[in-house]
Amino acid sequence: KNQVEQSPQSLIILEGKNCTLQCNYTVSPFSNLRWYKQDTGRGPVSLTIMTFSENTKSNGRYTATLDADTKQSSLHITASQLSDSASYICVVSFSNDYKLSFGAGTTVTVRA
Amino acid sequence: NAGVTQTPKFQVLKTGQSMTLQCAQDMNHNSMYWYRQDPGMGLRLIYYSASEGTTDKGEVPNGYNVSRLNKREFSLRLESAAPSQTSVYFCASSTSTGGLTEAFFGQGTRLTVV
Repeated sequence: KNQVEQSPQSLIILEGKNCTLQCNYTVSPFSNLRWYKQDTGRGPVSLTIMTFSENTKSNGRYTATLDADTKQSSLHITASQLSDSASYICVVSFSNDYKLSFGAGTTVTVRA
Repeated sequence: NAGVTQTPKFQVLKTGQSMTLQCAQDMNHNSMYWYRQDPGMGLRLIYYSASEGTTDKGEVPNGYNVSRLNKREFSLRLESAAPSQTSVYFCASSTSTGGLTEAFFGQGTRLTVV
């Protein structure tokens, strides 16, 4: 069973609208949580990295939140643009280790 | 800004054939990794090299071998390709294997084994 579960699997939104992606994890002990953006045919690119002590982190129109107690994270995209069409991957790191657990990703399609 | 470069980008192999996927980084990173990405699944670690001269197995190492040729280059070899190895392969690098180190990924190699 994957230790990182993402929802929804995919979503379609209109340009200019907001959306929120969810990530639940069971990784323990937890070190940090990352969100990556992966464009079609490209490698993942880091958006945010948060430690267990951080509640929120922003990168432009992307805002990630973390609740380490409930083991949940979300990625909020504000005022979506066509270039936001991509897969967004939640990644959790074990403590003191670089073995990363990757979610399967949420595919976001932004339509004009 | 080359970053992490993988070759080839696409490859079709027949079952039983061998090949080597090449990866090079120009960021002076110590650690390098090979992942595979399959539909509906998260990336899975095949092998990694924490530093030049060392390699370790990841989550799914069977059927693969690696060589850390020097600090820049980390290759992945399939000795006898199987259809189950059809996947997209990503190489990544980072300054180290610890903590909040950020990983940088190549563009991927799409491998089909028929």
